[in-house]
Amino acid sequence: EAQVTQNPRYLITVTGKKLTVTCSQNMNHEYMSWYRQDPGLGLRQIYYSMNVEVTDKGDVPEGYKVSRKEKRNFPLILESPSPNQTSLYFCASSRTSDSYEQYFGPGTRLTVT
Amino acid sequence: GENVEQHPSTLSVQEGDSAVIKCTYSDSASNYFPWYKQELGKGPQLIIDIRSNMDKRQGQRVTVLLNKTVKHLSLQIAATQPGDSAVYFCAENKAGGFKTIFGAGTRLFVKA
Repeated sequence: EAQVTQNPRYLITVTGKKLTVTCSQNMNHEYMSWYRQDPGLGLRQIYYSMNVEVTDKGDVPEGYKVSRKEKRNFPLILESPSPNQTSLYFCASSRTSDSYEQYFGPGTRLTVT
Repeated sequence: GENVEQHPSTLSVQEGDSAVIKCTYSDSASNYFPWYKQELGKGPQLIIDIRSNMDKRQGQRVTVLLNKTVKHLSLQIAATQPGDSAVYFCAENKAGGFKTIFGAGTRLFVKA
């Protein structure tokens, strides 16, 4: 089944404790992206990647890191999480050759206390 | 700044009626405008999209209009059903890349 998977789905952590949210897609898509979703603000793009070793900032990159060492994986790293990073996070992927349609993962709900 | 304004934030309609959601985008160079539906507890899913070389596109019970002159988008859902109840997002993709700006979303309730 073609899909985007994220792990973990739920995470409660404390301020300053480094964490990684993994994202993997099995559709051989070149493009991957991370978003955060907050009430009343819609989805805001954190980082995106056009292909392996190519990443770029979205609208809200502060406090986040990403890497794209393999085509299928695009982990989101929070080096020192803070309470304002409490949010619902979505990973998405897309082919770049003929379509901009993004396929979203199921989401990761992160709480930073 | 870069933003997409979407309204209304909440919309309630009777089953069988039409629902219309409107957006205004900011970048005249944007070339792709998707609409996503997000059901409770799930990630968004594309329902229809339109490119900047079109002004209208129709799908099954959904129609999207694009007016590039005033940078307006609209989504019409015809003959609504309870299963259409969800949050809907418009978005714009910046020309030449995949930077995506989403609207804040419209929560649609379809009353049976």
